[in-house]
Amino acid sequence: NFMLIQPPSVSESPGKTVTISCTRANGNIASNYVQWYQQRPGSSPTIVIYEDDQRPSGVPDRFSGSIDISSSSASLTISGLQTEDEADYFCQSYDSAKHVFGTGTKVTVL
Amino acid sequence: EVTLVESEGGLAQPGGSLSLSCAASGFSFSTYAMNWVRQAPGKGLEWVSGISASGATTYYADSVRGRFTVSRDNSKNMVTLQMDNLRVDDTATYYCAKDRSERLLWLEFWGQGALVTVSS
Repeated sequence: NFMLIQPPSVSESPGKTVTISCTRANGNIASNYVQWYQQRPGSSPTIVIYEDDQRPSGVPDRFSGSIDISSSSASLTISGLQTEDEADYFCQSYDSAKHVFGTGTKVTVL
Repeated sequence: EVTLVESEGGLAQPGGSLSLSCAASGFSFSTYAMNWVRQAPGKGLEWVSGISASGATTYYADSVRGRFTVSRDNSKNMVTLQMDNLRVDDTATYYCAKDRSERLLWLEFWGQGALVTVSS
């Protein structure tokens, strides 16, 4: 069993850059792909990054993902922050028998 | 266009039962695993259960194993979550989600959610 730990909240001004971390407790972050989901208030989650650093069509290139094996963590970076980016963000990974979600991070655009 | 439509949730008493269904369209249903994910009010996402594309393999979170049962009917493009012996802490919005492959990989599309309330 493993957990994915995220900071509860981050905030920044429009046009700036924010980075959200997702640290894997127990095991290697590179063992399985990491995904990132955006959940705006009152809406269902949608995928913004899959397989560590891949962006689905329709997701702005302001969103990027990466992993750092040395710290066993993944990161979601949002550059050129816009008011529409204000949302909750969840990382996710899996093993052979279950999906695991991160604790979630609320992004506030000041 | 992929669409996932959950049945209406509802109210159940502790110890009671409730069933949720999810009607899928817009993709080759029998090719992909399906999942249920829940979100308690004001809380984060919790994966609940999954089922392989063929239906031969089912997966459960420890918190629901032995109480919830997932099944699918590939002829009707439908996945169902039978919830028995419900507890107050099962109260949540339940989302149906399509997986990216025939097994558990990642959650490509989500339904709109169904609210399940467990209360006496």
